[in-house]
Amino acid sequence: DQQVKQNSPSLSVQEGRISILNCDYTNSMFDYFLWYKKYPAEGPTFLISISSIKDKNEDGRFTVFLNKSAKHLSLHIVPSQPGDSAVYFCAARRNTGNQFYFGTGTSLTVIP
Amino acid sequence: DARVTQTPRHKVTEMGQEVTMRCQPILGHNTVFWYRQTMMQGLELLAYFRNRAPLDDSGMPKDRFSAEMPDATLATLKIQPSEPRDSAVYFCASGSGQGFPLNQPQHFGDGTRLSIL
Repeated sequence: DQQVKQNSPSLSVQEGRISILNCDYTNSMFDYFLWYKKYPAEGPTFLISISSIKDKNEDGRFTVFLNKSAKHLSLHIVPSQPGDSAVYFCAARRNTGNQFYFGTGTSLTVIP
Repeated sequence: DARVTQTPRHKVTEMGQEVTMRCQPILGHNTVFWYRQTMMQGLELLAYFRNRAPLDDSGMPKDRFSAEMPDATLATLKIQPSEPRDSAVYFCASGSGQGFPLNQPQHFGDGTRLSIL
């Protein structure tokens, strides 16, 4: 049972434009959300996180938005750069444990 | 720059053989996770340890998989006997943080790509 879902397996964006990656979750007990970026043959690396007490967190070109009522979060990358081409994983954690639940990933390609 | 180290990076073996994957967490991290990446399920949690004690291994097939932390610098994941359906990339991650639950992101190793023929 996939509690964190990334319904778009892939996304292509022109360099300089905005990339929007989406993630939906089903468990209302999730209180901490993260995005990881993964290049081929490497492990995922942490990108940005957001606590459920916030609805937005920004770090440079990356912004994560959280809509708790819709159980939806999104990652915005502005402007997109070719080096952003990677697989992006959304993850969530329950307020009662250390277990993180991951989505299946979205492969982003930024076209020069 | 501290990193999680996983060995081997690649492993090809025949069905029925024992496979051991190793992980050296970042020094000082007190939580270790094992994940398996597949196309259909993404990153699945197999097991995790806190202060070397197993807290949850419900994601592992118990009859063939086992995970241990002999000491704070080594975590192992064993498969015996291995089957072709075990072919995947296995990631180890470590984390730190005060209290429970874990409030810091996990740091991942580069994975072990396992192929069972």
